[in-house]
Amino acid sequence: SAVISQKPSRDICQRGTSLTIQCQVDSQVTMMFWYRQQPGQSLTLIATANQGSEATYESGFVIDKFPISRPNLTFSTLTVSNMSPEDSSIYLCSVGTSGGQETQYFGPGTRLLVL
Amino acid sequence: SQKIEQNSEALNIQEGKTATLTCNYTNYSPAYLQWYRQDPGRGPVFLLLIRENEKEKRKERLKVTFDTTLKQSLFHITASQPADSATYLCALNSGGYQKVTFGTGTKLQVIP
Repeated sequence: SAVISQKPSRDICQRGTSLTIQCQVDSQVTMMFWYRQQPGQSLTLIATANQGSEATYESGFVIDKFPISRPNLTFSTLTVSNMSPEDSSIYLCSVGTSGGQETQYFGPGTRLLVL
Repeated sequence: SQKIEQNSEALNIQEGKTATLTCNYTNYSPAYLQWYRQDPGRGPVFLLLIRENEKEKRKERLKVTFDTTLKQSLFHITASQPADSATYLCALNSGGYQKVTFGTGTKLQVIP
């Protein structure tokens, strides 16, 4: 198993600002994943972050809006840029046990409210 | 388009009974299916994984079935307890490094 922590746990931000969310894993992993979960909705994959390469973004998500860093095998950041109220959501990072998304372990999430 | 359906209405059952949650999918050929539990304010927690060539999987009080003909998975919690109250998500993957797709989840409430 993997233990994942996220910072901050929650934040309230003003429109137009940016927030960087940190994700720390207690073991080295190849792939980390970032999800968004809007109120009452399921999880939507934003991007996959591999160490040493550019993140791979899903349809509807772009690097300018959600830049991701992956400096080493235990850490990643997701930035939500130029925020609007529509970005209010829970943001979750996860890791997979076998490199892919089979049996994922999730962080506790970052609850973001944009005013 | 690919679609995963879970009962969006909350499921209320009496303590001690068996809870059965349903996950249906269309336009999908999953290699495996997973069930997760999510408590309010927390990230999902992995419970069980079942592969396309498996019919049933058990873990303690949990049982999952997978019918690729009906395109359906059933998730059972026997002898349910109030502590089992949570939202349960199913997730499908086509295998390898393909993206996992999550359902919207079913909220289970076990009444003492």
